Amino acid sequence: EAQVTQNPRYLITVTGKKLTVTCSQNMNHEYMSWYRQDPGLGLRQIYYSMNVEVTDKGDVPEGYKVSRKEKRNFPLILESPSPNQTSLYFCASSLSGKQYFGPGTRLTVT
Amino acid sequence: QKEVEQNSGPLSVPEGAIASLNCTYSDRGSQSFFWYRQYSGKSPELIMSIYSNGDKEDGRFTAQLNKASQYVSLLIRDSQPSDSATYLCAVNVDNYGQNFVFGPGTRLSVLP
Repeated sequence: EAQVTQNPRYLITVTGKKLTVTCSQNMNHEYMSWYRQDPGLGLRQIYYSMNVEVTDKGDVPEGYKVSRKEKRNFPLILESPSPNQTSLYFCASSLSGKQYFGPGTRLTVT
Repeated sequence: QKEVEQNSGPLSVPEGAIASLNCTYSDRGSQSFFWYRQYSGKSPELIMSIYSNGDKEDGRFTAQLNKASQYVSLLIRDSQPSDSATYLCAVNVDNYGQNFVFGPGTRLSVLP
């Protein structure tokens, strides 16, 4: 089954404790993205990647890092999480601009 | 700042009616436009893409694009209660890349 998977699905952590959210796709897509979704603000792109080792900033990259060492994986790294990073995070892979989203990761930073 | 705006909701229509969802965008150079549907607690799913001026139909859905007016819309004919969801308009603002800007979404309720 073609899919995008994310782990963990839910995470509660404390300020400053480094964390990684994994994302993996099995559709052999070159393009992948990370978004956060907040009430009233919609989906905002954090980072995107056009291929292995090629990444670029989206609209809200501050406080996040990404890496793309393999085509199928695109982890999101929060080196020092803060409460304003509490949000619902989606990973997506895309083909011809059409994006396929993972199930989401709900992150709470206290 | 490249922006995407959508008509404020919630929008309520009776079952069987036509639901009309609107979206405007600020970047005149944008070439690719997408509509996603998001059920509560779920991830967005693509329902339509449109790249050229005019109408594009897919079943009960019709996307309309007017680049001169920087306007894209989604019509849902014969609306069903299962269409009740939030509809997101997305614009690719970097035509050689993958930089997407989403609108805030319009919540649609189809009343039986």
